[in-house]
Amino acid sequence: GENVEQHPSTLSVQEGDSAVIKCTYSDSASNYFPWYKQELGKGPQLIIDIRSNVGEKKDQRIAVTLNKTAKHFSLHITETQPEDSAVYFCAARIYNAGGTSYGKLTFGQGTILTVHP
Amino acid sequence: DTGVSQNPRHKITKRGQNVTFRCDPISEHNRLYWYRQTLGQGPEFLTYFQNEAQLEKSRLLSDRFSAERPKGSFSTLEIQRTEQGDSAMYLCASSPPEGISYNEQFFGPGTRLTVL
Repeated sequence: GENVEQHPSTLSVQEGDSAVIKCTYSDSASNYFPWYKQELGKGPQLIIDIRSNVGEKKDQRIAVTLNKTAKHFSLHITETQPEDSAVYFCAARIYNAGGTSYGKLTFGQGTILTVHP
Repeated sequence: DTGVSQNPRHKITKRGQNVTFRCDPISEHNRLYWYRQTLGQGPEFLTYFQNEAQLEKSRLLSDRFSAERPKGSFSTLEIQRTEQGDSAMYLCASSPPEGISYNEQFFGPGTRLTVL
């Protein structure tokens, strides 16, 4: 099945700096890659996603890039703010053995981002 | 609030007891997922419903676990004879049947289970 590796596990930056989190996936058939932000005691919140027919997507201070050949994708946060501090998860949509997908996601292990004022 | 809701938010039980969690998806979302998240890890897929049909189950879902979605709206997840290893956050997510948000999964706040 699909395997998603995420790095780094912790990331500490100063307010205003950029933060980059990287993920690799194993299933070349995966075609949808969301990023979630999870704050303490809350469920994951979708912040940005990218489909495999696109190489880059940007939404204000957040951008995601995808390299299908290398099977890796990255989250870029610019001009970080203290409220960006949270756990970030990447995920990939996997296919079952029959070649159909019901949309289940495989998540990375998470990155604890701390933005210091 | 029109988001995914889950009840209870916290559940403490003794080993061997049965517990049941409820998930109410976003209205008109016909697809519903259950995930389990242990401390310091990402969510892991448990099971998937499309309307009332349970179409996929993970190998993580042992025979002590059962999930239902009787009318294609809310869903329940029951764990029988709980074990300490069942302690985790149980997350529910829903997705719409079509439209630009088709791929998106909207998560609820989760139910945190502690088995003593």
